[in-house]
Formats: sequence, structure tokens, C-alpha cells
Amino acid sequence: SAVISQKPSRDICQRGTSLTIQCQVDSQVTMMFWYRQQPGQSLTLIATANQGSEATYESGFVIDKFPISRPNLTFSTLTVSNMSPEDSSIYLCSVKGGSSYNEQFFGPGTRLTVL
Amino acid sequence: KQEVTQIPAALSVPEGENLVLNCSFTDSAIYNLQWFRQDPGKGLTSLLLIQSSQREQTSGRLNASLDKSSGRSTLYIAASQPGDSATYLCAVRFNAGNMLTFGGGTRLMVKP
Repeated sequence: SAVISQKPSRDICQRGTSLTIQCQVDSQVTMMFWYRQQPGQSLTLIATANQGSEATYESGFVIDKFPISRPNLTFSTLTVSNMSPEDSSIYLCSVKGGSSYNEQFFGPGTRLTVL
Repeated sequence: KQEVTQIPAALSVPEGENLVLNCSFTDSAIYNLQWFRQDPGKGLTSLLLIQSSQREQTSGRLNASLDKSSGRSTLYIAASQPGDSATYLCAVRFNAGNMLTFGGGTRLMVKP
């Protein structure tokens, strides 16, 4: 299985600021995703991070709010821009297409609180 | 619309009991289904992956079954332990794409 790390693990931010979350995988993977889990809710896919090109966003999510980078096959970042309290969630990086090709794995998450 | 539903939302059982968690999905044309475990405030741990051509998968005390025709999967936990307390999430990859669609989860508490 893939080992995924995320930084930071948690943060408390002020309204109107931005936070960049990093995701590092210990092996090359085909697909990298970013999910959001709001308090008490299940997971919602924000976007698929594409290497060398713009991310593919799901309905309700836009690049200006959640810019994503993926410079190589093991690293991606998600920025939460111009934050509001409604952005308080756990943000999870997920990967697929490594040695266990069909199985999807998740990072430990970044717990974000916006005041 | 492709949806995944998990019932019950919460379950409390005494230690040692065998239990079944349920997952249903609206479209039988699935690619695969995964069961995950999530501890409070943590990420997801993959428990079992069932491909569409398979009927069940086993790992230790866990057994997951898949019945595509009825749109159902079950996760069976044998001889439950307090350490099994967590939220269990079912996620389906429908044929249309790479996206996993998640159920709402079942929050399990195993009492000593």
C-alpha cells in the first residue's frame, strides 16, 4: 500500500487568509485526489490533481478557491484561498494507481479551523 | 444519480458480538467497492477492496460481500473488540469514472 503524508496535520487560520496543504506519497502513483470532509459528514471529492496540467474540479469547486498543483507523480498541494469559517473541514489527499492499482489510499488528513 | 447509502448510521454492540454493516448503491454497473475505517479526526484506512467480478473478500476478522444485482455490500466483523470502534465507510467506483462515491458511514461503538 502507498504511504501518504500531509502537512500540516492541523491549523487554525483567520478569515480571509490562505493555507497550502502538502501531500507526499512514498511511491509513484497515477492518480491523486483531494477530498473535503465537513464536520459530521462523509467525504466529498474536490478535484483530481493532474501532473503537468490543470486539476479537474468537481461541481461546486473552482480553481480560484482551491488551486491545486501536481509537479510530479509523488507530490501535490491544495490551497484553500480567502478562507471563511465554512471552510473548516478535514482535507484529505488520496492516491490510486500505484502497486495496488485498483485500490485507493488516503492520507491522514489536515484538520482546518477557520475563525 | 449514483448514490451510496449506509444503514444504520450508528451502532453500539457489546464486545464479542458478530455484526454486519450494510451498504447499498443505486447503480449495479460498478467497477469496484471499497470499505474503509476512519478513527475520529483521522484519515481513512482501506480495509477491503472488492472488484466487480468478485463476490467476497476476507481479511482477518473482516469479510466483505458484494451482490451487484441487488445493489448491496455487507461488511461482517467477527468477534468484535473495543478497538473496532470507529466509523466504517463504504465507497463505490461506478463504471463512469475514477471517482469514488462515499456512503454516509456507520459509526460503530463496541463496549467492553
